[in-house]
Amino acid sequence: SYVLTQPPSVSVAPGQTARITCGGTNIGSKSVHWYQQKPGQAPVLVVYDDTDRPSGIPERFSGSNSGNTATLTISRVEAGDEADYHCQVWDNNNDHFWVFGGGTKLTVL
Amino acid sequence: QVQLQESGPGLVKPSETLSLTCSVSGGSISSYYWSWIRQPPGKGLEWIGNIYYSGRSNYNPSLHSRVTISVDTSNNQFSLQLFSVTAADTALYYCARGMAALVDDAFNIWGQGTMVTVSS
Repeated sequence: SYVLTQPPSVSVAPGQTARITCGGTNIGSKSVHWYQQKPGQAPVLVVYDDTDRPSGIPERFSGSNSGNTATLTISRVEAGDEADYHCQVWDNNNDHFWVFGGGTKLTVL
Repeated sequence: QVQLQESGPGLVKPSETLSLTCSVSGGSISSYYWSWIRQPPGKGLEWIGNIYYSGRSNYNPSLHSRVTISVDTSNNQFSLQLFSVTAADTALYYCARGMAALVDDAFNIWGQGTMVTVSS
């Protein structure tokens, strides 16, 4: 089955740029979605279809996807961005099902 | 706006069946895919399966043999049954909806989640 690999943790100072990666074989051929999850809360969609943002999500959140790596970029990081971030793709190779990455804890120093 | 609410027992005995319902309010269950996702304490998200309002479903291969998801359009809700549970099924269970009618649409609406513990 398809596997998505995320770093367990990323740390960044306020005002800097955070980049969270999601690795998968030829992931560039798939649509990647990203979710933010704060403690005790349900996940919130922050980027969908590689690069699009739902309404209400700041422009500081952006995404890219090419080759074997998709990246969520958070510019001008704020303390409120501290959360777990999960990537997601639909695997339609053999079986048809959703796959999540293991999640990345973003710490704002 | 559409809201989702999970309901069901918070404690299930080993080998028994976990049953949860997701009630949809503020909109119709028609024309969307509806998913169940779970998150063991301190771990990542795991997709369990989904169902279209017509009844067509997809399941995580790792759980397929133990899962049934059904939809009740007349009551605007869908349900999860997970059979023969073990302690490994202890998790926070979420229901969620896709953005539109495609099976690979991202989940833009989530329930608050309900914790289920498997223990005797």
